[in-house]
Amino acid sequence: DAGVIQSPRHEVTEMGQEVTLRCKPISGHNSLFWYRQTMMRGLELLIYFNNNVPIDDSGMPEDRFSAKMPNASFSTLKIQPSEPRDSAVYFCASRQGATTGELFFGEGSRLTVL
Amino acid sequence: AQSVSQHNHHVILSEAASLELGCNYSYGGTVNLFWYVQYPGQHLQLLLKYFSGDPLVKGIKGFEAEFIKSKFSFNLRKPSVQWSDTAEYFCADEDSGSARQLTFGSGTQLTVLP
Repeated sequence: DAGVIQSPRHEVTEMGQEVTLRCKPISGHNSLFWYRQTMMRGLELLIYFNNNVPIDDSGMPEDRFSAKMPNASFSTLKIQPSEPRDSAVYFCASRQGATTGELFFGEGSRLTVL
Repeated sequence: AQSVSQHNHHVILSEAASLELGCNYSYGGTVNLFWYVQYPGQHLQLLLKYFSGDPLVKGIKGFEAEFIKSKFSFNLRKPSVQWSDTAEYFCADEDSGSARQLTFGSGTQLTVLP
């Protein structure tokens, strides 16, 4: 299996632009997580899905952030409009079990908002 | 809400030194605990996990961790570190509720000097 696949690996954009990050979880995994990593705040859970259904989005910073999982093999995290403080590495992770188990992380998407 | 504390933010050791990284979790019923490692520029990978049974858990690359319920601790140990162990180490606690989300500690940066 190729593991969790994220794209793009790097994105540099200007403030105000829309950013879309993509994630393909491991086939057969039932849960998908979006994390943000910064030096100041460490690893923060933004949102996670079980069986394509959003379970908890309380970690999403504000209305500028949205996430979707239209099917079991694809998820997007969108920021519109982007701001410099959104600069971070965004990780997607998937888990086989809907309720427990090891998380498998993607390589991350490094976002820089100028 | 679950919380995980890692009190050592940065640890510097010489090769062959012994390692112990602290991790304390908040009580939340059933305890599932993990240690993840993030090598420079890479994604998080699982080192070891504890769900139940023997409180001394052995993981990959010679790492082990001991679950001490009375101290709410799950410290990571390695008897002799190598330069290649330079990385950031994250302790994580799986929520005991139905949602089972993973809460990460703030991480400990380990630097091993050759």
